[in-house]
Amino acid sequence: AQTVTQSQPEMSVQEAETVTLSCTYDTSESDYYLFWYKQPPSRQMILVIRQEAYKQQNATENRFSVNFQKAAKSFSLKISDSQLGDAAMYFCAYRSAERSWGKLQFGAGTQVVVTP
Amino acid sequence: NAGVTQTPKFRILKIGQSMTLQCTQDMNHNYMYWYRQDPGMGLKLIYYSVGAGITDKGEVPNGYNVSRSTTEDFPLRLELAAPSQTSVYFCASSYSTGEGYGYTFGSGTRLTVV
Repeated sequence: AQTVTQSQPEMSVQEAETVTLSCTYDTSESDYYLFWYKQPPSRQMILVIRQEAYKQQNATENRFSVNFQKAAKSFSLKISDSQLGDAAMYFCAYRSAERSWGKLQFGAGTQVVVTP
Repeated sequence: NAGVTQTPKFRILKIGQSMTLQCTQDMNHNYMYWYRQDPGMGLKLIYYSVGAGITDKGEVPNGYNVSRSTTEDFPLRLELAAPSQTSVYFCASSYSTGEGYGYTFGSGTRLTVV
């Protein structure tokens, strides 16, 4: 079974600065998808960005970008120009493209604190 | 377009009581999932469904049951509630497992068993 590890329980960043969240995963599969979800205090789970394993180009969504290192099984999220609204729990998630009926495997999460 | 709707948003149960968490989606998604989120932990899969009439266990199914009689609805039943079932429950749906579709999540149900 795949495992997803987020080794940083909490990260603090000042407004307008950049923060990088780490995520590593364990899999024997070659085709899969990786996601970052944001969970603000409202509890709503919001998709931030996704990456397809067969694409070498790193995904980017506005101020959010990823560094996908397939060989190292690493998938970090960079938040640039941090804003107060970025404060939330961030979850890394893995989804097999080959089987397992689209089930997502989540990491334990990283709490991002944004200070003025 | 409501997306995924979960009810109730909050509930307090006494030990041994039963309840059903409702989940409805209006996007004609085939795949639906139930997850629980314990404090300081990621989401863990309870049950999932790949279509009406088809369900299967996830990682933590004990103490729960599901049914999927229609594409839209995927209720989660808790029988004989225990304190260990205190958690936040999320329902989610997905159009397909291909193309890297992410989930659409409901807003969650906070359940406390006392």
